Amino acid sequence: GEDVEQSLFLSVREGDSSVINCTYTDSSSTYLYWYKQEPGAGLQLLTYIFSNMDMKQDQRLTVLLNKKDKHLSLRIADTQTGDSAIYFCAERSGNTGKLIFGQGTTLQVKP
Amino acid sequence: SAVISQKPSRDICQRGTSLTIQCQVDSQVTMMFWYRQQPGQSLTLIATANQGSEATYESGFVIDKFPISRPNLTFSTLTVSNLSPEDSSIYLCSIPNRGLAGGSSYNEQFFGPGTRLTVL
Repeated sequence: GEDVEQSLFLSVREGDSSVINCTYTDSSSTYLYWYKQEPGAGLQLLTYIFSNMDMKQDQRLTVLLNKKDKHLSLRIADTQTGDSAIYFCAERSGNTGKLIFGQGTTLQVKP
Repeated sequence: SAVISQKPSRDICQRGTSLTIQCQVDSQVTMMFWYRQQPGQSLTLIATANQGSEATYESGFVIDKFPISRPNLTFSTLTVSNLSPEDSSIYLCSIPNRGLAGGSSYNEQFFGPGTRLTVL
């Protein structure tokens, strides 16, 4: 079945780059998403990428997609303490609203 | 992006009771979705709520436990019935949205702020 995997924890120093990785199994994925969840808050859509793209950049965020290896990454440049949160990757097949989520990566940013 | 609100934001309920969660969107949408996030876990889709038809439930979720209403294109409710401590979770509604990338597909997916339910 469909599955999305992420590492559970990442710790970086303020000002460094963070790279959060995600792998998925569904080869028919159409869109892949990155969400941010701060403590006690809902999910904030950070960015997404269509499956026929291999890179998308949006200010400090860079998404890389390797469709052959079914590997997605989110790079946050110049990581700030406000970036500390749980980051979820999710994939969607077709044009439905069903997203399959990874377990979430907790990003800890040390001053 | 669309504005999605949920009520209540949190609640503490007794075992055996029910809680109805409301989701209001500031624009008309055909599909609305209800997700559950159990403590320390990821999100799982409960059901798809379509206006004018019965909700479509995912494997492991049934209508008797999670009845859904969708009276119009901007509103939906999810009821969690016969509560047990295992139902303690965050419940989130979600809508698709056509992003600025264009095209006819709903490439963005937004979530409401969530309802945090604790069952004692």
